[in-house]
Amino acid sequence: QSALTQPASVSGSPGQSITISCAGTSSDVGGFNYVSWYQQHPGKAPKLMIYDVSNRPSGVSNRFSGSKSGNTASLTISGLQAEDEADYYCSSYTSSGTVVFGGGTKLTVL
Amino acid sequence: QLLESGGGLVLPGGSLRLSCAASGFTFNNYAMSWVRQAPGKGLEWVSTISGSGSTLYYADSVKGRFTISRDNSKNSLHLQVNSLRAEDTAVYYCAKVPGAVTPRGFDYWGQGTLVTVSS
Repeated sequence: QSALTQPASVSGSPGQSITISCAGTSSDVGGFNYVSWYQQHPGKAPKLMIYDVSNRPSGVSNRFSGSKSGNTASLTISGLQAEDEADYYCSSYTSSGTVVFGGGTKLTVL
Repeated sequence: QLLESGGGLVLPGGSLRLSCAASGFTFNNYAMSWVRQAPGKGLEWVSTISGSGSTLYYADSVKGRFTISRDNSKNSLHLQVNSLRAEDTAVYYCAKVPGAVTPRGFDYWGQGTLVTVSS
């Protein structure tokens, strides 16, 4: 199972919005509404930010939103803040019953 | 809360048993997974076990070498890792799945336990 494709890095200024893409196939992202997004700060465990494509867990800021079109999912962060600077990973359930992650995107807040 | 243990330094070809103690939720209602992260690299899903323990899933990279199990009477998750290779060096995270069977994502994570395979 190949990893999902994410941009290696994205950047934005405080207050701006950014979008991170996560490209897969019809056997994973496009075939199921089981895409999740995780935030990871250096030396810390990942934290779930979005599940089932567009749902936010309790306690996650509504500045974070998710969507999907075809085989590509997206995470949008609006009103960028300094504390949003982190690595972001997408994951998807697959038709093989497994899970595949994206390679990760480093978000820099300028 | 999820608390991993059992990591350490091991020789190539060696074995370890990783454990994860769970608390704060009804353990047997949820599937559980192991996810690893090599130093400076991204996340890699390793294995998932259903809430009842009857359904197991493995990544191709570990199939035949790693065995996931759980003890619902003790709220614990385990990963037996055998025939270890240098490329298995990683932090191994225990993660809870928001459902009983399908590994659709991971809503809670432990802090991880480091496995280093080196001679």
